[in-house]
Amino acid sequence: DTEVTQTPKHLVMGMTNKKSLKCEQHMGHRAMYWYKQKAKKPPELMFVYSYEKLSINESVPSRFSPECPNSSLLNLHLHALQPEDSALYLCASSQYPRVGSSGEAFFGQGTRLTVV
Amino acid sequence: QKEVEQDPGPLSVPEGAIVSLNCTYSNSAFQYFMWYRQYSRKGPELLMYTYSSGNKEDGRFTAQVDKSSKYISLFIRDSQPSDSATYLCAMSPRDDKIIFGKGTRLHILP
Repeated sequence: DTEVTQTPKHLVMGMTNKKSLKCEQHMGHRAMYWYKQKAKKPPELMFVYSYEKLSINESVPSRFSPECPNSSLLNLHLHALQPEDSALYLCASSQYPRVGSSGEAFFGQGTRLTVV
Repeated sequence: QKEVEQDPGPLSVPEGAIVSLNCTYSNSAFQYFMWYRQYSRKGPELLMYTYSSGNKEDGRFTAQVDKSSKYISLFIRDSQPSDSATYLCAMSPRDDKIIFGKGTRLHILP
């Protein structure tokens, strides 16, 4: 099983709403990632969790708040977003925090977020 | 100079042709190289992963890495319409980050 599951698949939210994106993997991977992808652009790294601890925050605005409750789950809490935050939000996981030593990083199908 | 350069295309080839996709990079610290396929409005799907220089084959796909030239390639043999997608090269030094190319849009014409 090389599956990373993200929910919801689509989300429309207002600028004053609070919502959460969820990501789950059962491959025993100890690194999980959040990426943001705008149309026709490559994924951009937002956060990395290594052994359930935040190891990389790529200067992401505080309206995005990640959480890793356990080794299988990763959440992204959203609050007071702007229309320009509309994008495909991708979760990924790899066996070890160092992508190179783990080899592959597997991606979920993403949550398409629209902020109105 | 960007860390990873990839021609965005689009690249259109007839069905059955051999497709060649390429990326160049500038950071000699990269040691791990990946190719992802991404269909429209879907997440990237890992196709190939290689470490350092050399070739790797998996079915119709062959990945090549030439570290001396800082150049990686993905070849697709007997291309099919279902191969039409965006292909992203990605590479990683010895840390947590994956650096992606911009992606090449590929169209296989029936």
